[in-house]
Amino acid sequence: DADVTQTPRNRITKTGKRIMLECSQTKGHDRMYWYRQDPGLGLQLIYYSFDVKDINKGEISDGYSVSRQAQAKFSLSLESAIPNQTALYFCATSDSSGGSGDTQYFGPGTRLTVL
Amino acid sequence: ILNVEQSPQSLHVQEGDSTNFTCSFPSSNFYALHWYRWETAKSPEALFVMTLNGDEKKKGRISATLNTKEGYSYLYIKGSQPEDSATYLCAFNRGSTLGRLYFGRGTQLTVWP
Repeated sequence: DADVTQTPRNRITKTGKRIMLECSQTKGHDRMYWYRQDPGLGLQLIYYSFDVKDINKGEISDGYSVSRQAQAKFSLSLESAIPNQTALYFCATSDSSGGSGDTQYFGPGTRLTVL
Repeated sequence: ILNVEQSPQSLHVQEGDSTNFTCSFPSSNFYALHWYRWETAKSPEALFVMTLNGDEKKKGRISATLNTKEGYSYLYIKGSQPEDSATYLCAFNRGSTLGRLYFGRGTQLTVWP
């Protein structure tokens, strides 16, 4: 079984709809991240969480919100989706206990299309 | 916004060629430098993490070096194979914002048989 899972893997929605992307991990890591990837732009950080009570904005948080329901779960919401949020979304985790230089482990990605 | 630059943006080589890419990052407040391999339709996978100036890491035909004083890292692939085709990402980890990685845009490598 995959250590970091994302649901759904693909989603097509319409402008104005509320969408939730979910991420779960079995790695026991305390830190979790949401990124989006647009062609030619690399990975951009949306939000990150260092533990259940900690939520931080990344570089491109406008139009997004997150919820850390448990150490193993981190959800990303688009309250009112717009077409320029069409992208590939990745969840990632890392372990704060050190020894790996904060290496992040990525989920399989969610491809979101907003029409 | 912290700038991590990768060059070249893309690279096409023949099977058997050796190749290398560059990652440039701020030389101040360094904590770690990561290399990831990202195949099409898959998720990025960690290749190396380097923390000390002069570090060299090797995995099979792929190796990496680190110069924290001048702010660059090289990734080398010896005898490229078609299965090496992927995007190679570097990510910088700053000491003042531990846990956050700042990614470059990647070098897309295509190895032709």
